[in-house]
Amino acid sequence: DAKTTQPNSMESNEEEPVHLPCNHSTISGTDYIHWYRQLPSQGPEYVIHGLTSNVNNRMASLAIAEDRKSSTLILHRATLRDAAVYYCILRPYGGATNKLIFGTGTLLAVQP
Amino acid sequence: DTAVSQTPKYLVTQMGNDKSIKCEQNLGHDTMYWYKQDSKKFLKIMFSYNNKELIINETVPNRFSPKSPDKAHLNLHINSLELGDSAVYFCASSQRGGPGWEDTQYFGPGTRLTVL
Repeated sequence: DAKTTQPNSMESNEEEPVHLPCNHSTISGTDYIHWYRQLPSQGPEYVIHGLTSNVNNRMASLAIAEDRKSSTLILHRATLRDAAVYYCILRPYGGATNKLIFGTGTLLAVQP
Repeated sequence: DTAVSQTPKYLVTQMGNDKSIKCEQNLGHDTMYWYKQDSKKFLKIMFSYNNKELIINETVPNRFSPKSPDKAHLNLHINSLELGDSAVYFCASSQRGGPGWEDTQYFGPGTRLTVL
């Protein structure tokens, strides 16, 4: 399974944009890039995913580098509720199983 | 309505006991999972069932036995509990569909198991 590298922690101020980076230099052509987050004392929740093109949804945007070796999760206006651990996960298209392989993630702190 | 629910939320027990954690999803999904999050917050898949059939078993000790009575339920029974079993256990579900299986997983709130 291809590996991802994320900073251990990041800080942001409330109502400012946050850019959470993820490196995945060994990504294969069939790997989707998924982001999940885990709020304190809760189960992980899906944020966004993409393959090659940038993606937007109501929670966030995902910017994928042209060579796909890195991606950035963008929270446009951070709120206190966005304080969580953010996981960048690679999942192969059409893989034999649907399991998620979590790394250590990035702990995002949001200051008021 | 809660999509994925687990009971109990907290479970404190003695070493050597046998305990069960229950999981139910009302999303109509075909696939359910158990994940374990240890004290260092590392999340790892344990099992996955699709339509009541075991499809993932990640070298978990055979003291752990998942049981899926129907598509909406996946219970986890643990025999002879050990100190190292203390962790938070998360249930999840997803709708397998299409060739890419890029379906989102929905997680329950977790069950914090403490073995004394």
